Amino acid sequence: GAGVSQSPRYKVAKRGQDVALRCDPISGHVSLFWYQQALGQGPEFLTYFQNEAQLDKSGLPSDRFFAERPEGSVSTLKIQRTQQEDSAVYLCASSWETGGAFFGSPLHFGNGTRLTVT
Amino acid sequence: GENVGLHLPTLSVQEGDNSIINCAYSNSASDYFIWYKQESGKGPQFIIDIRSNMDKRQGQRVTVLLNKTVKHLSLQIAATQPGDSAVYFCAENGLTGGTSYGKLTFGQGTILTVHP
Repeated sequence: GAGVSQSPRYKVAKRGQDVALRCDPISGHVSLFWYQQALGQGPEFLTYFQNEAQLDKSGLPSDRFFAERPEGSVSTLKIQRTQQEDSAVYLCASSWETGGAFFGSPLHFGNGTRLTVT
Repeated sequence: GENVGLHLPTLSVQEGDNSIINCAYSNSASDYFIWYKQESGKGPQFIIDIRSNMDKRQGQRVTVLLNKTVKHLSLQIAATQPGDSAVYFCAENGLTGGTSYGKLTFGQGTILTVHP
């Protein structure tokens, strides 16, 4: 049905607060990615899930960032003790292929959550 | 030209003109390339993709050209319309470090402005 859905659309957090960002991928999509997009930049990879397995978290900036997808559908990106440098748009993307983004199986992105840390 | 931070490359065209947006990629091992359009406040929207064993692929009003020799990708938009105004990103699935899945790495982006 609908595309990738992310909530909230906007989040303002005071420095030091914890935040949780939610992603509902397209139904049936196996692969799920989180990206971080700073103002004026292209999206940068954070982490990748194949179903409920987190196969790659090499892009997470620090151990304050944690992502999960316990039932292989909805995913949550959690940031603990937020810092000003965490301010960015966090994008979620999904694809139906088990192997992520390949020809014939592009990533479909949500509209992101804009996080502002004050 | 090359830009850093907020100073993205820009392209301004008149409505009805053809637009060409260029991208240089870095990883010769990438086997898949993709163009996205991103409007203000929205996520990247898929436009067209191409596999490394192709030189050209056409869609509706768009054509992607791939030159592996010089690691260059271009997006051609025919009869550009004001609704095409957006930031355009190229991306590659650089299969580096033993990665066995398609992880997209994005370029910096180009701002396309179409004047009526």
